[in-house]
Amino acid sequence: DQQVKQNSPSLSVQEGRISILNCDYTNSMFDYFLWYKKYPAEGPTFLISISSIKDKNEDGRFTVFLNKSAKHLSLHIVPSQPGDSAVYFCAASADNYGQNFVFGPGTRLSVLP
Amino acid sequence: DADVTQTPRNRITKTGKRIMLECSQTKGHDRMYWYRQDPGLGLRLIYYSFDVKDINKGEISDGYSVSRQAQAKFSLSLESAIPNQTALYFCATSDLSGRVEQFFGPGTRLTVL
Repeated sequence: DQQVKQNSPSLSVQEGRISILNCDYTNSMFDYFLWYKKYPAEGPTFLISISSIKDKNEDGRFTVFLNKSAKHLSLHIVPSQPGDSAVYFCAASADNYGQNFVFGPGTRLSVLP
Repeated sequence: DADVTQTPRNRITKTGKRIMLECSQTKGHDRMYWYRQDPGLGLRLIYYSFDVKDINKGEISDGYSVSRQAQAKFSLSLESAIPNQTALYFCATSDLSGRVEQFFGPGTRLTVL
């Protein structure tokens, strides 16, 4: 059973609008979360992270929200741009050294011009 | 030049053959990882290494072995390839401070016929 779930395999958004990508997890020991973005034929690249001591982290157009009671996090992209079209992975860790991240299956975001 | 490189980028082989995938990094990181990506499953950790003398099994190590030849080099071997090892393989690195992002190579697409 997957410990990190991204239930939307794909999402389409109009340029300039908000993109919201969701991630749910089952392991209550997870306390550090990352989002990665992946373009075709490239490796994933780090986007933004959040620790369980926070409920929000912001970096430019990207904001991650964490709801620990619901075991849910979301990535908001505002405004969305065509260059944001990629696969987005949510990853979670429960250990102090961060070496064992569990990845979700990814959500493919398409931002339409 | 890329910080994390993987060779080969694509490989087609037959069942029973021995295959080695290589990873090199110029980031000076001590920690290196091997993941595989399958459709709908995200990235799963195969092996990881904290330094040249440290090798650890990940979630799905059966059928794989690794060698950390130097701080900058980490290779993954399939001693006798089987078709269900057909996947996209990623190498990644991270530094010693623990809970920071991992830096991924571009991936190796392996097909086992």
